[in-house]
Amino acid sequence: AILLTQSPSSVSASLGDRVTITCRASQGISSALAWYQQIPGKAPKLLISDASSLESGVPSRFRGSGSGTDFTLTISSLQPEDFATYYCQHFNNYPHRFTFGPGTKVDIK
Amino acid sequence: EVQLVETGGGLIQPGGSLRLSCAVSGFSVSSNYMSWVRQAPGKGLEWVSVIYSADNTYYADSVKGRLTISRDNSKNTLFLQMDSLTAQDTAVYYCARVQLGREAYAFDIWGPGTMVTVSS
Repeated sequence: AILLTQSPSSVSASLGDRVTITCRASQGISSALAWYQQIPGKAPKLLISDASSLESGVPSRFRGSGSGTDFTLTISSLQPEDFATYYCQHFNNYPHRFTFGPGTKVDIK
Repeated sequence: EVQLVETGGGLIQPGGSLRLSCAVSGFSVSSNYMSWVRQAPGKGLEWVSVIYSADNTYYADSVKGRLTISRDNSKNTLFLQMDSLTAQDTAVYYCARVQLGREAYAFDIWGPGTMVTVSS
C-alpha cells in the first residue's frame, strides 16, 4: 500500500509569508495527488487535483507541483483565511483505497 | 445548488448500530462516485468507503465487514449502515463526491459532516 507523509507537521507563519508544504509518496504515483484545506470545524475543501490543477474558485496564490514521489503545495502570500490544516491525498487502484497524508497545520506566528 | 447534507449521527453504545444518510441535491448519486470519509476528534482524515455508478463498493480495512455503503437513486441519497460499532469508530462522518481527474480521484464536494460517538 502507498503511504503519504507530509512535512512539516506544523508551521508558524505571518501574513504575507510564502509557505511550502511537502507530501512524499512511498512509491511513484505519477501526478495522481490532490490537496485539501480544512478550517477547524469545517469540511475539507479541494484545492488542487492532478498534482497541479487548481480547482475553480481557488485563489491563484495556491500552487501545486511535483510528480512521482515528491509533491509541493505553495501558498505564495499567506492570507488570514489560509490558516488551516492541509492534507494531501492519493487514490490507488490496487489495493483499492484512498489515502490521506497526516496533515500540515499552518498557524499564526 | 450542489449540496450534501449528512444526518443520523449521535451517541451509540459499543456493539450498536447506526445508519447515516447523505441527502444530495444538484446532481445525481446514480451517475456519480460517492464516498464516506471520517475524522476522529483531533485526528486526520480517513477514507471509509466508496460506491461506484455500477454499484461496485470498496471499504477501508478498518471497517470491512461492519460498515456498508449503499444508495437510493429515487431519493438521491447515500447511506452508511454501521454495525458492531466500537469506540474507534467515534468520528465526524463526511459524505463526498468523487471527482475523476486526469490521473487523480479526488473528493470535490463535501457535506458538513455528522458526529458519531460510540460510548457506554
